[in-house]
Amino acid sequence: GQQVMQIPQYQHVQEGEDFTTYCNSSTTLSNIQWYKQRPGGHPVFLIQLVKSGEVKKQKRLTFQFGEAKKNSSLHITATQTTDVGTYFCDGQAGTALIFGKGTTLSVSS
Amino acid sequence: DAGVIQSPRHEVTEMGQEVTLRCKPISGHNSLFWYRQTMMRGLELLIYFNNNVPIDDSGMPEDRFSAKMPNASFSTLKIQPSEPRDSAVYFCASTPGGRMNTGELFFGEGSRLTVL
Repeated sequence: GQQVMQIPQYQHVQEGEDFTTYCNSSTTLSNIQWYKQRPGGHPVFLIQLVKSGEVKKQKRLTFQFGEAKKNSSLHITATQTTDVGTYFCDGQAGTALIFGKGTTLSVSS
Repeated sequence: DAGVIQSPRHEVTEMGQEVTLRCKPISGHNSLFWYRQTMMRGLELLIYFNNNVPIDDSGMPEDRFSAKMPNASFSTLKIQPSEPRDSAVYFCASTPGGRMNTGELFFGEGSRLTVL
């Protein structure tokens, strides 16, 4: 079946270091969404990417959608303790929605 | 807006009992989703509705699970009989998006189910 693989599963960084999580789909996606879930919380929408090769920025966060619309990445520059949580991608192919298993980020100060 | 409202927030029950989880989507949203989250399996889509009609229920684990959306402002997820392996956090989410581009999902705070 359709899958979205997300790596790494866990990442620990020192505050100020950069962080990147990657999503790779087995099928071409029409769009992809990114979410952040704090410990004990619920997923909160960050952004949607629709166009091939699209790059969007939100302050220290940079989101990319691959040219083939099969992969995506989220990069955080100079992490802060407030970035702690699990980051999920959610790819859509037709009417099918597939969440990656998430990358859990921990940050030590 | 109050956001997506789920109840109960926590439920502890014994194996074999019936469990009903409830969700009120954001007013005006025409798509509603039920997800299950566990450490092992992550976020799994169980079912989603568009305009109160089930569109994809391929994620519903087995016949013990059923979901209904009798109107645009209410949905239930029922497990009967419940088993310990059903222990998880169940999230409801809604969106104003259509079937081919759901866009941003607005999640409720979840219902944490423990089956003993």
